Amino acid sequence: GAGVSQTPSNKVTEKGKYVELRCDPISGHTALYWYRQSLGQGPEFLIYFQGTGAADDSGLPNDRFFAVRPEGSVSTLKIQRTERGDSAVYLCASSLQGDTEAFFGQGTRLTVV
Amino acid sequence: AQRVTQPEKLLSVFKGAPVELKCNYSYSGSPELFWYVQYSRQRLQLLLRHISRESIKGFTADLNKGETSFHLKKPFAQEEDSAMYYCALVSGGSNYKLTFGKGTLLTVNP
Repeated sequence: GAGVSQTPSNKVTEKGKYVELRCDPISGHTALYWYRQSLGQGPEFLIYFQGTGAADDSGLPNDRFFAVRPEGSVSTLKIQRTERGDSAVYLCASSLQGDTEAFFGQGTRLTVV
Repeated sequence: AQRVTQPEKLLSVFKGAPVELKCNYSYSGSPELFWYVQYSRQRLQLLLRHISRESIKGFTADLNKGETSFHLKKPFAQEEDSAMYYCALVSGGSNYKLTFGKGTLLTVNP
């Protein structure tokens, strides 16, 4: 595709449920980032992948959050036992190795009710 | 720890007026600074970064290390400049994670 693709664009889930958010980066981009943007805030870093491995997961708020990138392309952000405070827009970005310019997806708006 | 501060949540100007969106940062090393923009119903996209030292859509930003600022300026605002603007920094090393400010919503009135 031409850009970073995120699915679904919107997700409404009940408190306590499990959700998966998908990110398809730009072809050839080895670096992949997940950010979370709450209302009125700038995006906040969650996790960074270089290839298949999570090089930095220091932004994950707790152990309910987990992300994978098994083949070094598509990534899935997984949230267990969702809470109302998890409601936010989850953004994915990708970049070429060694390049600081990040390309963002449209985001997934998660609402926990 | 690094921090980016955008003191204005909202900024409203008239078309043709100069505009300046303020950004201050705190970081002990040599960061790379960026401005990202999000137009209505569009994705976040890079506007400019200090290392390229170029003007994009008439906007410029100069890194002032003494004042730890990276203000975004345009001499004559256009209505199509209305958008959300985020200042961000990358702290260096091999992890290029971005630290964002809270953003400034710019409205350019006709």
